[in-house]
Amino acid sequence: KQEVTQIPAALSVPEGENLVLNCSFTDSAIYNLQWFRQDPGKGLTSLLLIQSSQREQTSGRLNASLDKSSGRSTLYIAASQPGDSATYLCAVRINNDMRFGAGTRLTVKP
Amino acid sequence: NAGVTQTPKFQVLKTGQSMTLQCAQDMNHNSMYWYRQDPGMGLRLIYYSASEGTTDKGEVPNGYNVSRLNKREFSLRLESAAPSQTSVYFCASSGSSGSYEQYFGPGTRLTVT
Repeated sequence: KQEVTQIPAALSVPEGENLVLNCSFTDSAIYNLQWFRQDPGKGLTSLLLIQSSQREQTSGRLNASLDKSSGRSTLYIAASQPGDSATYLCAVRINNDMRFGAGTRLTVKP
Repeated sequence: NAGVTQTPKFQVLKTGQSMTLQCAQDMNHNSMYWYRQDPGMGLRLIYYSASEGTTDKGEVPNGYNVSRLNKREFSLRLESAAPSQTSVYFCASSGSSGSYEQYFGPGTRLTVT
């Protein structure tokens, strides 16, 4: 059974810092991995999607990497801003099944 | 272009009552999904529909039924609500080829007393 773990569960950083969020999964036979952002009381917003054949994807200040063989992905956020404060979730897809991590709650202090 | 919409936004039920959560998407996606999100846990898949006319169980299907009414709409029904079904319910959709990127609705917050 695929299990997805995100560490740390919560992270607080000062504004301007670069940071890394981690996601690990137990079964490397994934189709893709997707990173989402969730604001309190809201739905999920897709940030980046990495296909199993890719190593990384970039969008603005965000960079996500994927190492399938070791079962790990990282989300790098450059020059963090208070508006980045949210919960970040990763999810892996195997066929029609998506498995989510519990998320990392990020707080960026002004 | 509204994306994925869900109704209602909030609902309170008594144990044993029934209700249907509605979901619609306007992105011409073939696949649709229902998830529940509980505190401290990631989202868990309840049911999915890979295409119009098909539905399949996910990780936590017990106590739920679904209907794929047409390509746009996918509903989730609780026949006899239980306190354990208190949760936030999310609907999502994705294409069935290419990236399979998922798009989510705003969620329905359900409380069963």
